[in-house]
Amino acid sequence: GIQVEQSPPDLILQEGANSTLRCNFSDSVNNLQWFHQNPWGQLINLFYIPSGTKQNGRLSATTVATERYSLLYISSSQTTDSGVYFCAVRSGRRALTFGSGTRLQVQP
Amino acid sequence: NAGVTQTPKFRVLKTGQSMTLLCAQDMNHEYMYWYRQDPGMGLRLIHYSVGEGTTAKGEVPDGYNVSRLKKQNFLLGLESAAPSQTSVYFCASSSRDSLSGANVLTFGAGSRLTVL
Repeated sequence: GIQVEQSPPDLILQEGANSTLRCNFSDSVNNLQWFHQNPWGQLINLFYIPSGTKQNGRLSATTVATERYSLLYISSSQTTDSGVYFCAVRSGRRALTFGSGTRLQVQP
Repeated sequence: NAGVTQTPKFRVLKTGQSMTLLCAQDMNHEYMYWYRQDPGMGLRLIHYSVGEGTTAKGEVPDGYNVSRLKKQNFLLGLESAAPSQTSVYFCASSSRDSLSGANVLTFGAGSRLTVL
C-alpha cells in the first residue's frame, strides 16, 4: 500500500512563531486530508487538499501532487494549536492511509 | 446534529471476554470506518463499509468483526479480547465520493479500550 511519512515527528514552538509540517507520500493520490488531534483526543479535519493551495485563517496547506508531498503552514502559533497533526492520503479506491503524525507543542 | 457518536467511551475487559463498540452517525453518510490508534502512531484502518449491508477489511482486521445492518450504524466486535487490542478506537464516516473525489472524514470522539 501507499506509504506516508510526516516530518518532523515532534516540534516545540514559542507562541507567535511560524511552522511548516511536511507530508511525503509514495504514490499518486486522489485524496489528501490534514487533521488536528487536540490534547483531548478529538480529530478535526483541517483541509481536503489533493492538489493546490488552501488557506483557513492562520493555517494554510499546499499539495504538490506531481512531487508527492504536502505542506501545512501554521502562522502566529497559539497554545490552542498544540496537539498532533496527521496527514492522510488515498490512492485509487482504497480507504485513507494515515501518517504517524507531527506532535506540536506551543509554549506560552 | 450530533455527527458521529461512539459508545462506550471507556471499557476495561479481561482477556477472552467479548464486546461490541457502537458507532452511529446522523449525517446520512454512505461510508463508515473503524480505526485504531496506538501510542505514538497514526490511525490504522480495521474495517470499513461503503454502504448498508457491506463491509471490507482494512489494514489490521484480525481479531475484529463488523456489521452494517443499518446505514447509520457500524458495529465493531471483539469476540475474544487480547491485550494487544488495548487501544483507542475511532469511528469515522464520510459521504459518497463526488466527481471531484472528495471524501472528507468526520470522526467520533473515540473509545478507549483496555484489555487486562
